[in-house]
Amino acid sequence: SQQGEEDPQALSIQEGENATMNCSYKTSINNLQWYRQNSGRGLVHLILIRSNEREKHSGRLRVTLDTSKKSSSLLITASRAADTASYFCATDDRRNNDMRFGAGTRLTVKP
Amino acid sequence: GAGVSQSPSNKVTEKGKDVELRCDPISGHTALYWYRQSLGQGLEFLIYFQGNSAPDKSGLPSDRFSAERTGGSVSTLTIQRTQQEDSAVYLCASSLGQPGRETQYFGPGTRLLVL
Repeated sequence: SQQGEEDPQALSIQEGENATMNCSYKTSINNLQWYRQNSGRGLVHLILIRSNEREKHSGRLRVTLDTSKKSSSLLITASRAADTASYFCATDDRRNNDMRFGAGTRLTVKP
Repeated sequence: GAGVSQSPSNKVTEKGKDVELRCDPISGHTALYWYRQSLGQGLEFLIYFQGNSAPDKSGLPSDRFSAERTGGSVSTLTIQRTQQEDSAVYLCASSLGQPGRETQYFGPGTRLLVL
């Protein structure tokens, strides 16, 4: 079953705007990861944040993790049309090390 | 209903041997993906099938890796002349249709250890 739940399910913004996507999960985790999937392609790993980290940056990406609220957010700054894709969070369940993906947020960036 | 299944669940092999990993997707799912996850790393995309064809093989790390899918269902990932760096968990996923628009359902993975 899927554990991470992303919201919103779909997000449409103009190029140059920031996009924020959220992920909630239920169990204790070792780490949380964000992935991107362009239409017709496989998943691409974006960033991994460990349970003892609160924030991580990679280029235009900023990820936060709040283990007390069991939630994470992915911020894409200065969005581009090429950022149009589905974004998934995945949690590494501490109990059994299974990786569970959410259904994803479909981001559309209009030029 | 049954989810994605993979076999074997664990495989230990000697360097230089060939291995074959199998994936049975959810019935009716046309898209099938192979990923690799090394210890402590994120998923690494290997190859994606839509039906029997593989429009995206960009992730295969070397020509020792190949995959096929017959009848639009079962897929096998073959690694020839295995190396120690091939040790990882190999995950298969399937989805109903267009990648990026459908949830991917993952199998339990095959843990490969190359000695």
